Order: sequence, then structure tokens, then C-alpha cells
Amino acid sequence: ILNVEQSPQSLHVQEGDSTNFTCSFPSSNFYALHWYRWETAKSPEALFVMTLNGDEKKKGRISATLNTKEGYSYLYIKGSQPEDSATYLCAFYFGNEKLTFGTGTRLTIIP
Amino acid sequence: DAGVIQSPRHEVTEMGQEVTLRCKPISGHNSLFWYRQTMMRGLELLIYFNNNVPIDDSGMPEDRFSAKMPNASFSTLKIQPSEPRDSAVYFCASSSSSYNEQFFGPGTRLTVL
Repeated sequence: ILNVEQSPQSLHVQEGDSTNFTCSFPSSNFYALHWYRWETAKSPEALFVMTLNGDEKKKGRISATLNTKEGYSYLYIKGSQPEDSATYLCAFYFGNEKLTFGTGTRLTIIP
Repeated sequence: DAGVIQSPRHEVTEMGQEVTLRCKPISGHNSLFWYRQTMMRGLELLIYFNNNVPIDDSGMPEDRFSAKMPNASFSTLKIQPSEPRDSAVYFCASSSSSYNEQFFGPGTRLTVL
């Protein structure tokens, strides 16, 4: 079974602090990795699609890196704000055109 | 574009009844995905279509579940007969190709009593 693992499962961060969390995946047969942001009572929204080893992507205060050789991706949030509170999902294509989601990191920003 | 449209948004039904969930993908998107969100299993893929053709339905829990995509702008997920354990939020998503970002609909919250 090919698994996508995310850590930590949940995280509480003080407003203004920066934070990061991890997505781990099997390093073989890599096609693409997605990051999604999922606010409570809404639907997931794509943040990044990453395909190349060494990719770094940025959207505002959020950025992500990718290491396909060792099988991990980091998501960073700089200067956390209350609106960053959400569950952050990573999802991985194992090469069979089927996106497999991790269980997510639930981020809560404390004002 | 209005995004991915799902209907109904909420459905409450009794055990044994047939339930049909509907999805309209974003115009021009070639791939369509049906997901189920539960507390126990998180977000799990049920089935996906490329160019209206079902590619992988290995996530469909059992024969009570079926999905169709008769044309590029419409898909249905049917549960017959429904059971209480089918209660979940069902999401439809579409993308311009298999590996590109997926755009999710608002979901249908299904409650089977």
C-alpha cells in the first residue's frame, strides 16, 4: 500500500509566528504532488502543484518545497494570520492517474 | 465560470431509498472525480472519469454505488439502496487533465436514517 503521510496531525500557532509541516511519500514512481487548503465547512482549494525535484512555489505568505529523491515536501506559512486556520492536505500521484490524499495537518492560529 | 456545481447540497433519506447526486464540472475540464469524506477515512476517491470514460472505480465501496458521465458537462453518483453507513459528504471535482490541480464542488451532505 502506498501511503501519503502528513505531520503533525494538528498544530496550534500564535498569530504572527511562522510555521511549517511535512508531507512524506514514496520516492519511487513520482509524478506530481498537490497541496490543498481546506477550511471548515468549505471544499478543498488547490495551493500548489509540484512536479520537479527542487521545486519551490510561493503564494503570498505560503510557500512549499519538494524533494522527490527523499520523498518529502514542506509547506511553510510566514507570519500566521487567523485566516490561515484550516486543514492542509497534500496529495500524491503514484503514476496511475489517481490522486491519493494524506489525512492532513489541522492548523489553528491563536489570536 | 461558476465552478463545479453539485446538487443537492443536502440530502436526508431513509435507509433503502435510492439517492442520486449530481455534478456539473467546469466547462472544458476533461477529468472528473467523485470523493467521499468521512471522519474515519478522510477524503477518499470513489471513481474518476477521463473524457467521460470511467478510468478507475476501485474506490467504489460496493455494488450499491454506481456512477455515470453521459456527457462532458454532467455526472451522477447513485446509491441504491442507501444505508446509514453511507452518510458522508460527497465531493465532485474536475481538472483540465489528470495531473493538474483539481477544483472541488461545494459537496453534498448525505444523511441516511
